[in-house]
Amino acid sequence: ILNVEQSPQSLHVQEGDSTNFTCSFPSSNFYALHWYRWETAKSPEALFVMTLNGDEKKKGRISATLNTKEGYSYLYIKGSQPEDSATYLCASLRGANNLFFGTGTRLTVIP
Amino acid sequence: DTAVSQTPKYLVTQMGNDKSIKCEQNLGHDTMYWYKQDSKKFLKIMFSYNNKELIINETVPNRFSPKSPDKAHLNLHINSLELGDSAVYFCASSQDGAGSDGYTFGSGTRLTVV
Repeated sequence: ILNVEQSPQSLHVQEGDSTNFTCSFPSSNFYALHWYRWETAKSPEALFVMTLNGDEKKKGRISATLNTKEGYSYLYIKGSQPEDSATYLCASLRGANNLFFGTGTRLTVIP
Repeated sequence: DTAVSQTPKYLVTQMGNDKSIKCEQNLGHDTMYWYKQDSKKFLKIMFSYNNKELIINETVPNRFSPKSPDKAHLNLHINSLELGDSAVYFCASSQDGAGSDGYTFGSGTRLTVV
């Protein structure tokens, strides 16, 4: 993998459902993996920064895991709510000041 | 108080003009960045500045030049604007080059070249 890739591109879930999406990134020259939440008409907001293989981070109903050896990270949302609707970006830091973003997963939670 | 502020929010200008976008952060961060969101909504790094020193400069035309008068400001100057420069430009900052606490983004500047 040369670039940061995210799947699926978009996702519709019912309120209350749990969901997850994937971020794949080059495992060479890895420094850190970032997750951001980007609501329409707003700026991306940092959710998690992970650096170590096996890292797991949690913020409320949202959690993320990291596998640096195989180059992937999962973001999980438990019990999705309409306010979770946003685009979720992951980004791979390859060297200081060198953060490369994926194209995001657009999540829509249907009430 | 807005942590990272960009001005203007919208900019419409003609081809060939020279324009600037300003960015200021009040977080005391050491590193600032400019990103371009392309037509596919993809955020691409353009520049980063650390303590007034240019750290990286991806394959950006030299019509684009960052100017940092101090640690809290990183302005983007664009000369001889072209139609293809139309995009949303985002400024961001981080405490250090590793972005240990993540990046803080401005609200973006939508540039339209006509």
